[in-house]
Amino acid sequence: AQSVAQPEDQVNVAEGNPLTVKCTYSVSGNPYLFWYVQYPNRGLQFLLKYITGDNLVKGSYGFEAEFNKSQTSFHLKKPSALVSDSALYFCAGRTGRRALTFGSGTRLQVQP
Amino acid sequence: EAGVAQSPRYKIIEKRQSVAFWCNPISGHATLYWYQQILGQGPKLLIQFQNNGVVDDSQLPKDRFSAERLKGVDSTLKIQPAKLEDSAVYLCASSPQGAGETQYFGPGTRLLVL
Repeated sequence: AQSVAQPEDQVNVAEGNPLTVKCTYSVSGNPYLFWYVQYPNRGLQFLLKYITGDNLVKGSYGFEAEFNKSQTSFHLKKPSALVSDSALYFCAGRTGRRALTFGSGTRLQVQP
Repeated sequence: EAGVAQSPRYKIIEKRQSVAFWCNPISGHATLYWYQQILGQGPKLLIQFQNNGVVDDSQLPKDRFSAERLKGVDSTLKIQPAKLEDSAVYLCASSPQGAGETQYFGPGTRLLVL
């Protein structure tokens, strides 16, 4: 069985500071890992994904994520947060051509 | 490139009524997914299509939910009869065929069952 965990319901950070949104996974085989962002009344927008290769993945809007196989983690990071980054972030995983298994989401609040 | 289209965006019905949602995936995407997102939770898969065939419907409540993807393009998800606990956002996504391909999501249909 696949599972994805986001241990923090909410992350608060001041604008200009670095941010981290945590994600751990339990996926059999070689996992494909994704981050999506959701703004109010909108669908999920793709940020980045890890398939294979370099453990540091760069994505949209300055976000990046590091795949750590030994810790089964895929944390989302950004060096300098913007107020406009405030949204709901979802980590998701899959194997092969299966559908995504999502975490419960983390609300990011960036204070001016 | 046009994204995934869904309609309606909002729907309010009473319990025991029926409702249908429509999804048009990105052109050329062979795989189509329907997810249910209950408030405060991550999306959960209802059904996955590959072209016009069902790949996974293990979590679809088949006594009340049905879905089809005729001609392997657009898709319809139906609920009949609706229950209060069906209140959620129904998200449609599509992806190219292939392992590790990115799924792209539509704006969703917000359903409220009274």
